[in-house]
Amino acid sequence: DQQVKQNSPSLSVQEGRISILNCDYTNSMFDYFLWYKKYPAEGPTFLISISSIKDKNEDGRFTVFLNKSAKHLSLHIVPSQPGDSAVYFCAASGGGTASKLTFGTGTRLQVTL
Amino acid sequence: GAGVSQSPSNKVTEKGKDVELRCDPISGHTALYWYRQSLGQGLEFLIYFQGNSAPDKSGLPSDRFSAERTGGSVSTLTIQRTQQEDSAVYLCASSLVRGYEQYFGPGTRLTVT
Repeated sequence: DQQVKQNSPSLSVQEGRISILNCDYTNSMFDYFLWYKKYPAEGPTFLISISSIKDKNEDGRFTVFLNKSAKHLSLHIVPSQPGDSAVYFCAASGGGTASKLTFGTGTRLQVTL
Repeated sequence: GAGVSQSPSNKVTEKGKDVELRCDPISGHTALYWYRQSLGQGLEFLIYFQGNSAPDKSGLPSDRFSAERTGGSVSTLTIQRTQQEDSAVYLCASSLVRGYEQYFGPGTRLTVT
């Protein structure tokens, strides 16, 4: 049972435009959400996180939005840059299982010139 | 400072052989995690260590998998009698305290022939 879902396996965006990556979850006990970026042959790199007590968290060009009622979160990248091209993983934690992260299957973002 | 390191970076082994994968976490990080990523899949939790507490082994797929952490630092993941379905990238992560912002190593790509 996939508790964290990223339904778009890939996304292509022009440089300078907004990239929106989406993530849905089913476990209502999750209380902390993270986005990781992964380049080929490297481990995932932590990008940004949000606690369930918030609905928005911003860090430079990256903003994460959380809609608890819809069990949905999204990552906005504005403006998108070619160096943002990578695979983005959504992850969730909490509900007594704070010892592990549950990951989605990832969305490959391609930022084109 | 130094990040999480893993060795070897690549390992090719024959079906039925045992393999050992090593992880050196970030100095001072008390929590250590093992995940694996199979082709086209998200990251799958395997095992978690926190200090001297009993590890959370809930993600280990079979009794052929085991892990230990010596002296609260270095960890070794052992896979006995490897099978082709064990082929994956094995990722180690560490965090300062139990939970959320985990920092990943580059991974070990295991190929079982």
